[in-house]
Amino acid sequence: EVLLTQSPATLSLSPGERATLFCRASQSVSRYLDWFQQRPGQAPRLLIYDASNRATGIPARFSGSGSGTDFTLTISSLEPEDFAVYYCQQRSIWPDGFGQGTKLEI
Amino acid sequence: QVQLQESGPGLVRPSQTLSLTCTVSGGSLSSGGYHWGWIRQPAGKGLEWIGRINTSGTANYNPSLKSRVTISLDTSKNQFSLKLSSVTAADTAMYYCVRGRVGANGLVEFWGQGSLVTVSS
Repeated sequence: EVLLTQSPATLSLSPGERATLFCRASQSVSRYLDWFQQRPGQAPRLLIYDASNRATGIPARFSGSGSGTDFTLTISSLEPEDFAVYYCQQRSIWPDGFGQGTKLEI
Repeated sequence: QVQLQESGPGLVRPSQTLSLTCTVSGGSLSSGGYHWGWIRQPAGKGLEWIGRINTSGTANYNPSLKSRVTISLDTSKNQFSLKLSSVTAADTAMYYCVRGRVGANGLVEFWGQGSLVTVSS
């Protein structure tokens, strides 16, 4: 089973600042790595797929990079609605799995 | 736009079987190329895959739950279902149904809003 480790667990920033979130896999997942955003009381929403592709309707301030075992989600300039929990997910090897999440707080 | 809606009992007794249904609208369950799956999330915790099934009826289950899980399709009703047997308090969670794309290695694009299930006597 592929384990995903996200860091940091919590990230405290202000609107307008740049956020960088990390996800490390226990073995290579190629580029089969996605990022989801989850706001309180809502289902997760797909932000980035295949490591670097923005999903439909996702603003350009969200970007992803990486391949193999190390991945990054960057939010270039935080908006108030971006403060949420972010999960990475690998779908290279079943069972697909999620990281433990990074809470982005004001 | 595909929409998914979970339904089922919100309370299940320990040792009983949890049963949930996901109704699909805006698309057909019979359309090839998709997985239909279940993901759960205990309150305040992370996300866990339970399993998924494709249009041909081939299912993949998380090994940690495999002995207790069954996912099935009902194309006549455009629904798919989850059964989890011998539940304990550890199975208390929000349960989400999802659709993924087979050709994209299971990319999950659509989620239901979730159904909260509590296991308690």
